[in-house]
Amino acid sequence: EIVMTQSPATLSVSPGERATLSCRASESVSSNLAWYQQKPGQAPRLLIFGASTRATGVPARFSGTGSGTEFTLTITSLQSEDFAVYYCQQYNLWYTFGQGTKLEIK
Amino acid sequence: EVQLVQSGGGLVQPGGSLRLSCAASGFTFSSYWMSWVRQAPGKGLEWVANIQQSGIVKYYVDSVKGRFTTSRDNAKKSLFLQLNSLRVEDTAVYFCARGGGSDSGLYFDYWGQGILVTVSS
Repeated sequence: EIVMTQSPATLSVSPGERATLSCRASESVSSNLAWYQQKPGQAPRLLIFGASTRATGVPARFSGTGSGTEFTLTITSLQSEDFAVYYCQQYNLWYTFGQGTKLEIK
Repeated sequence: EVQLVQSGGGLVQPGGSLRLSCAASGFTFSSYWMSWVRQAPGKGLEWVANIQQSGIVKYYVDSVKGRFTTSRDNAKKSLFLQLNSLRVEDTAVYFCARGGGSDSGLYFDYWGQGILVTVSS
């Protein structure tokens, strides 16, 4: 099983600033990596697939980079609605998710 | 607008059964892989099962193999998950999701609202 490890577990950032979230795979997943946003009591929302392609309707302040084993989700100019839990997911070999990064208001 | 509306769920005793449903609209249901993902209370996400467009090819996470069965009715644009021999550790919110990507790997581009399954005596 490919293990996905996200860091940090919690990230405190002020509105208007930049947030950088990391995701590491235990073996290469090529670019088969997606990012999701989940708010309390809601279903996850797809943000990024193919490591760097924004899903329909996702604002340009969300960007994804990386390939192989190291991936980053960057959110620039944080808005109030961006504070949530973020998950990465690999789909190169079966499907596994990271444990999540909680992005909280500083 | 793509919509996935879930029903079913509830409280069941260990060893019991339950059937979840997911009604799709706003897209050509028969053209997409569909999936189930679950989330235990306060925990992260876990992929549970996929079903191919035809309903013939299905994949499951090891922990549910032989106990859970997914199926679909393309004419009724509906997805199902039959949960048998339920265990306490199956307690979770279950989401249906549409598969994006390709046959070799899926991400999940639209999700149902989720439905809680509680296994407890």
